[in-house]
Amino acid sequence: AQSVTQPDIHITVSEGASLELRCNYSYGATPYLFWYVQSPGQGLQLLLKYFSGDTLVQGIKGFEAEFKRSQSSFNLRKPSVHWSDAAEYFCAVSTDNYGQNFVFGPGTRLSVLP
Amino acid sequence: DAGVTQSPTHLIKTRGQQVTLRCSPKSGHDTVSWYQQALGQGPQFIFQYYEEEERQRGNFPDRFSGHQFPNYSSELNVNALLLGDSALYLCASSLASVGANYGYTFGSGTRLTVV
Repeated sequence: AQSVTQPDIHITVSEGASLELRCNYSYGATPYLFWYVQSPGQGLQLLLKYFSGDTLVQGIKGFEAEFKRSQSSFNLRKPSVHWSDAAEYFCAVSTDNYGQNFVFGPGTRLSVLP
Repeated sequence: DAGVTQSPTHLIKTRGQQVTLRCSPKSGHDTVSWYQQALGQGPQFIFQYYEEEERQRGNFPDRFSGHQFPNYSSELNVNALLLGDSALYLCASSLASVGANYGYTFGSGTRLTVV
């Protein structure tokens, strides 16, 4: 069965600093890959997704992610973090064409220092 | 355009009781999926409903059951509640013709506390 790991439980960065959140997956083929963000008391919002093609994908709010097949990774990056980016970030994989089998990672909590 | 609506937002139940959570999908969506998010963890897939039938199920016991109505809204029922059922329950809607891979729309969830 597929699985998703996010090695960092909690990350703290200063406002304006760059950010990279790590995600690794375990699956025999290339899955569909996603990053979602969850603000306190809110549901999850899709930041970006990768299906195929260009391995660097752009998302909303200035986020981007890079798929590296050789490392089974899909790391999320942002060049300059804003205080409003403080939230929980979840990496997820789907292994079928219709998303009937979604698996989320445990999440990384991002804190932003003023 | 209304997003996904879940009710109630918070709920406290006693062990052994039964609970029903409700979800109205985003306008135009026809598929509803339910997730359980325990504190400090990622969401775990419970099941998915389409055309009023359970189409896919995660690794959850039969105490968890659901229903989808003709208007695409859905209910999640949990019987014989355990303390470990305390979690945030998220509903996510999608359109079957394109699939959840093109993006779930999530509700804000129902926070269930079992005491």
